[in-house]
Amino acid sequence: AQTVTQSQPEMSVQEAETVTLSCTYDTSESDYYLFWYKQPPSRQMILVIRQEAYKQQNATENRFSVNFQKAAKSFSLKISDSQLGDAAMYFCAYGGATNKLIFGTGTLLAVQP
Amino acid sequence: KAGVTQTPRYLIKTRGQQVTLSCSPISGHRSVSWYQQTPGQGLQFLFEYFSETQRNKGNFPGRFSGRQFSNSRSEMNVSTLELGDSALYLCASRGGTSGSNEQFFGPGTRLTVL
Repeated sequence: AQTVTQSQPEMSVQEAETVTLSCTYDTSESDYYLFWYKQPPSRQMILVIRQEAYKQQNATENRFSVNFQKAAKSFSLKISDSQLGDAAMYFCAYGGATNKLIFGTGTLLAVQP
Repeated sequence: KAGVTQTPRYLIKTRGQQVTLSCSPISGHRSVSWYQQTPGQGLQFLFEYFSETQRNKGNFPGRFSGRQFSNSRSEMNVSTLELGDSALYLCASRGGTSGSNEQFFGPGTRLTVL
């Protein structure tokens, strides 16, 4: 069975600084996708960034980028130039052959002005 | 395009009752998945429907059931409610059939069981 682990329950970053959220996963599948979702206090879950396992190049979306280490089964999220609006719960998720998402326990990110 | 909508947004029920939650996916999306979110268990997959057929099911008791209609709208039902069923229930829709496509989440239904 696949598992996703987020070892940082809470993180804090100063506005305009950079922060990295960690995620590790375990799977025996060769074809899968990894996601970072953001859930602000309003509870609407939105996709931040997606990585296809077969792609070696790390995904980037504006200020958000990932460090995908397939052999180490690691998938960290880097947020550059942090903004107050980045404060939220961040979930790492795995999507494999079954189409269901397996989520980590989340990291609560606080952004200090 | 309108996003995923869920009704109602909030529900209060008592133990033993049953409840039905509704989800309308993004227009054109045929896959609808349901997730339960609780502080203790986190986000857990309930089931997925595609073209009115349940394609995948999570590890939940039979009290949890669902269905999908021909217009892709989906409902989930929980019978004989227990205190532990109190949770945020999230619905997500997807346009494609593979796991690569993004799942778009609704705002959720907050269920409180007293």
